[in-house]
Amino acid sequence: NAGVMQNPRHLVRRRGQEARLRCSPMKGHSHVYWYRQLPEEGLKFMVYLQKENIIDESGMPKERFSAEFPKEGPSILRIQQVVRGDSAAYFCASSQVQGNTEAFFGQGTRLTVV
Amino acid sequence: QKEVEQNSGPLSVPEGAIASLNCTYSDRGSQSFFWYRQYSGKSPELIMFIYSNGDKEDGRFTAQLNKASQYVSLLIRDSQPSDSATYLCAVTDRGSTLGRLYFGRGTQLTVWP
Repeated sequence: NAGVMQNPRHLVRRRGQEARLRCSPMKGHSHVYWYRQLPEEGLKFMVYLQKENIIDESGMPKERFSAEFPKEGPSILRIQQVVRGDSAAYFCASSQVQGNTEAFFGQGTRLTVV
Repeated sequence: QKEVEQNSGPLSVPEGAIASLNCTYSDRGSQSFFWYRQYSGKSPELIMFIYSNGDKEDGRFTAQLNKASQYVSLLIRDSQPSDSATYLCAVTDRGSTLGRLYFGRGTQLTVWP
């Protein structure tokens, strides 16, 4: 859905660099979800955030990955010291109400680690 | 670990035919079920959701849910070449309080003219 804005659309990073992925939810949506889609695999949940709160981060790798959704500005998914296995499409979704899983997805950021 | 299983396909049907996509899930407590369509290189797009046992129809699409069998399906009538995409089945957690979706790997559908 065009209302969820992700940037950049494509990101190339060398091994060891940091990647920052941004997501602006649809207007009026305060719930943000990040998913990762590896090649030939389904989408895997990573983290669920509300403004200034991490609600569920059970899908996040224990190291190098972090997410935030500040009071002002977009949600950020940050990957430190990227490795080739981090190459994937990262999708953000937003919803209006907690537990409302009729979420709308952004166009994704395709991360390539070289 | 919640599992959502789909036949990966590819499923190939002629234009005008009915395409039948199937999905099974492991968590009997799952409450909400979704079908997304994803074109190559694009983001998932919600087609339908279903909460109750039975059928739900929306235009050419019909979702069918059987909680006893832990089975959900999507029928596409009068298939069109523009329906060619990967179809993702997704289910929610028990209680659906967190909004997290569990996805299958998707079924690739090709509709040939």
